[in-house]
Amino acid sequence: EADIYQTPRYLVIGTGKKITLECSQTMGHDKMYWYQQDPGMELHLIHYSYGVNSTEKGDLSSESTVSRIRTEHFPLTLESARPSHTSQYLCASSGDREADTQYFGPGTRLTVL
Amino acid sequence: LAKTTQPISMDSYEGQEVNITCSHNNIATNDYITWYQQFPSQGPRFIIQGYKTKVTNEVASLFIPADRKSSTLSLPRVSLSDTAVYYCLVGSTSGTYKYIFGTGTRLKVLA
Repeated sequence: EADIYQTPRYLVIGTGKKITLECSQTMGHDKMYWYQQDPGMELHLIHYSYGVNSTEKGDLSSESTVSRIRTEHFPLTLESARPSHTSQYLCASSGDREADTQYFGPGTRLTVL
Repeated sequence: LAKTTQPISMDSYEGQEVNITCSHNNIATNDYITWYQQFPSQGPRFIIQGYKTKVTNEVASLFIPADRKSSTLSLPRVSLSDTAVYYCLVGSTSGTYKYIFGTGTRLKVLA
């Protein structure tokens, strides 16, 4: 079973607040990803990282930012939350095996009022 | 990135075998085929991966014809707990590869 953790699992917060969604993995994976998914809809890649100090924007434009200072840690930050940011945020990581099988965390369900 | 096409939804009954086919006409030589399962409010979970011919593990089989332009995920004797969304992905580890999950196939298993 994969060891990738996300906190908090659920977050309800008011508009304008700064939030940080935590993601950590204990598998030593170099590659980490953030996806955004609305209920019943597709997963959209919003950020990814191929290693420490490497971050890239994904296919879906997002106002969030990420950092990768340590291999095991890939936090996502929203400087000023808005109701349009309400969604589920999923973190994943992958190693160097063929085709980069991704292991997903349980997700954070964010609601911005 | 190879684009995949899957049926949007399927219904099945408990105990039946379910086959979900995915088309990937422009698959590249280095690409692998990977299937994921996702339950509501959870992250996707890896099911099976293959390059060619047939792969089998404890939960599923993956059939890949010689031209590799399609693949079929086979779930033997499904149960109600197999109700989920199933994603077919194609890609490799080279360079700046990223997964595109698409809409997946929504499988509903009926009693």
